Amino acid sequence: EVQLVQSGAEVKKPGESLQISCKASGYTSTNFWIGWGRQVPGKGLEWMGFIYPDDSDTRYSPSFQGQVTISVDKSITTAYLRWSSLKASDTALYYCATRGLGLYYMDVWGKGTPVIVSS
Amino acid sequence: SYLLTQPPSVSVAPGKTATITCGGDNVGSKTVHWYQQKAGQAPALVIYYDADRPSGIPERFSGSNSGNTATLTISRVEAGDEADYFCQVWNTDSDHPEFGGGTKLTVL
Repeated sequence: EVQLVQSGAEVKKPGESLQISCKASGYTSTNFWIGWGRQVPGKGLEWMGFIYPDDSDTRYSPSFQGQVTISVDKSITTAYLRWSSLKASDTALYYCATRGLGLYYMDVWGKGTPVIVSS
Repeated sequence: SYLLTQPPSVSVAPGKTATITCGGDNVGSKTVHWYQQKAGQAPALVIYYDADRPSGIPERFSGSNSGNTATLTISRVEAGDEADYFCQVWNTDSDHPEFGGGTKLTVL
């Protein structure tokens, strides 16, 4: 069974750094993109970017370029989302999801990682 | 970005048909995907490429897309269908997905 397992909830202060993770398992190949999306409670989804584990090709959504860093450790099929300096406005639920090569929808989702940034 | 407009809420009695719309400029020229998000859970794909169903999704879920409106139709609605539903298209300019604001389906 393919699944994405995300790291646990985080509570941080403004200005702190943070990295959350998303481990893919059950996939027979790495012909997929892993992406990250942000959801503020009661609001819609915003997509942040994708990374291709095979070659670490990374594509950021224009709204998030320069705001976060997406990386991957191919050896353990784990993607990461990193902030160097958190802001209160980064408080949200973060989902990872995969999409197949050449496909334009996300078919497998992680359960989400809540991030709270508060002084 | 490409704007997708969904009604904030739709209510339907059990056993009836729920229709959830997703409006966008000439959205019929794009392919639309739909996700169901139950309370406290991650989104789950229910319709892809306008009208296809992933394995495990009941035939009661169907989709269509034409002109300026894509539609998710849920027939014989059950209490377990109560959820938020999001539509999604691919923005070829940004090479990223764009989502509608979501529709909360309430089963009366």
